[in-house]
Amino acid sequence: EIVLTQSPVTLSLSPGERATLSCRASQSVSTSLAWYQHRPGQAPRLLIYDASNRATGISARFSGSGSGTDFTLTITSLEPEDFAVYYCQQRKDWPLTFGAGTKVDI
Amino acid sequence: EVQLLESGGGLVPPGGSLRLSCAASGFKFRSYAMMWVRQAPGKGLEWVAALSGSGATAKYADSVQGRFTIFRDSSKDTVYLQMNSLRVEDTAVYYCAKDRGYSYNDIDFWGQGTLVTVSS
Repeated sequence: EIVLTQSPVTLSLSPGERATLSCRASQSVSTSLAWYQHRPGQAPRLLIYDASNRATGISARFSGSGSGTDFTLTITSLEPEDFAVYYCQQRKDWPLTFGAGTKVDI
Repeated sequence: EVQLLESGGGLVPPGGSLRLSCAASGFKFRSYAMMWVRQAPGKGLEWVAALSGSGATAKYADSVQGRFTIFRDSSKDTVYLQMNSLRVEDTAVYYCAKDRGYSYNDIDFWGQGTLVTVSS
C-alpha cells in the first residue's frame, strides 16, 4: 500500500503566521492527492483535491502544490479557525490511505 | 444542501455485529460513490470501505475485509456498513462520506460520525 508521511507532527504558530505542511508518498501518486482539515468534534472538510485545486468555498489562504511523491499545503496568514489537524489522502491506488496528520496549534 | 446522517452506532461485545446506516440527501445519490472512514480514539483517519454509484463495485481495507460489507439502497438514498465479528480494535467514530464524483476516490462531504464501541 502507499504510505503517506506527514511532517511535522505538530506545528506551533501564531495567528497571522504562515503554515507549511508536508506530505510525502512512498511511491508516486502523480497529482492524486487531497488535503482535509479536521477540527475537534466536527466532520472533516475537503480543502484541496488533485494536489492543487481548492474545493468549493475554500478560502484562497489555502493552497496546495506538488506532484509525484512530495506535496505541500500552505496556509497564508493563519486565522483562529485554522488551528486544527490536517490530513493528506491519496487516491492513486487501493487501499486509499491517509497520512497520520499534522496538528496546527497555537 | 448535501446532508449525510449516520445512525446505528453503539456498544457491542467482541464478536458481535452492528449495522451502520447513512441517509443521504441534497444530491443525486446514484451518481456518486460512497465510503466509510473511521477514526479510533486518539488516532488519525482510516479508510474502511467504498462502493461505486451503481453498487456493483466494493473495495475494503485489509483490516475489515471478510468481516464488513458496504451496500446501498438507492430507493432510500441510504448506504450501509454491516459489521460482523467485531474486534476491540474496531472501536472508532465511523464517518459516512460522499465521493467527489462517480468514483474519484476522494471525499467532498462527510457526515458527523457515529461512535462504535466494541467492549465486553
